Amino acid sequence: DTGVSQDPRHKITKRGQNVTFRCDPISEHNRLYWYRQTLGQGPEFLTYFQNEAQLEKSRLLSDRFSAERPKGSFSTLEIQRTEQGDSAMYLCASSLVTGGFQETQYFGPGTRLLVL
Amino acid sequence: AQRVTQPEKLLSVFKGAPVELKCNYSYSGSPELFWYVQYSRQRLQLLLRHISRESIKGFTADLNKGETSFHLKKPFAQEEDSAMYYCALSGKNTPLVFGKGTRLSVIA
Repeated sequence: DTGVSQDPRHKITKRGQNVTFRCDPISEHNRLYWYRQTLGQGPEFLTYFQNEAQLEKSRLLSDRFSAERPKGSFSTLEIQRTEQGDSAMYLCASSLVTGGFQETQYFGPGTRLLVL
Repeated sequence: AQRVTQPEKLLSVFKGAPVELKCNYSYSGSPELFWYVQYSRQRLQLLLRHISRESIKGFTADLNKGETSFHLKKPFAQEEDSAMYYCALSGKNTPLVFGKGTRLSVIA
């Protein structure tokens, strides 16, 4: 399968613990996005990378959240001191931007986080 | 402000009936509009985007800039069309802004 992959698929943690999620984009894609989806809502943008540079962060991304894409390939999203409100599906998407034109964003299966 | 509105949370239609999923947007400029679909136990996937002007699985959507709408239509619904549908927009090379989604249920 050469699509976007995410690990783990499910995570249950206790409030106050740190969690880290990984996303592996489609190999030739230079853009990588993180979204969050809660029940009854569409995905909401968190942050995105062009290669290894983090270009934009949403106001939803509090200082407890940090994302990296160190070599311009896979990305990690860390949540420190988790809160029950962080419970959601975390989605990763990747796309190819060439000559100012963005092709389709392809989504991963998501990581479902439950904070107890 | 960028906003996508899908007024219906749930739409139920009989097999063979026409389907229209509504989407209205708010954006200052020329957005690109998309429809994404999520079938049961599958990941979110692109159904169509307005610049392609394609018909995918019998679905079409026309961008109406005057009414700021991008409604999704299909003349004859099929059971396998049952899924969650999300309308989304983006500016040039910007992240997607999604609506809350409409669950389509096609009744046999």
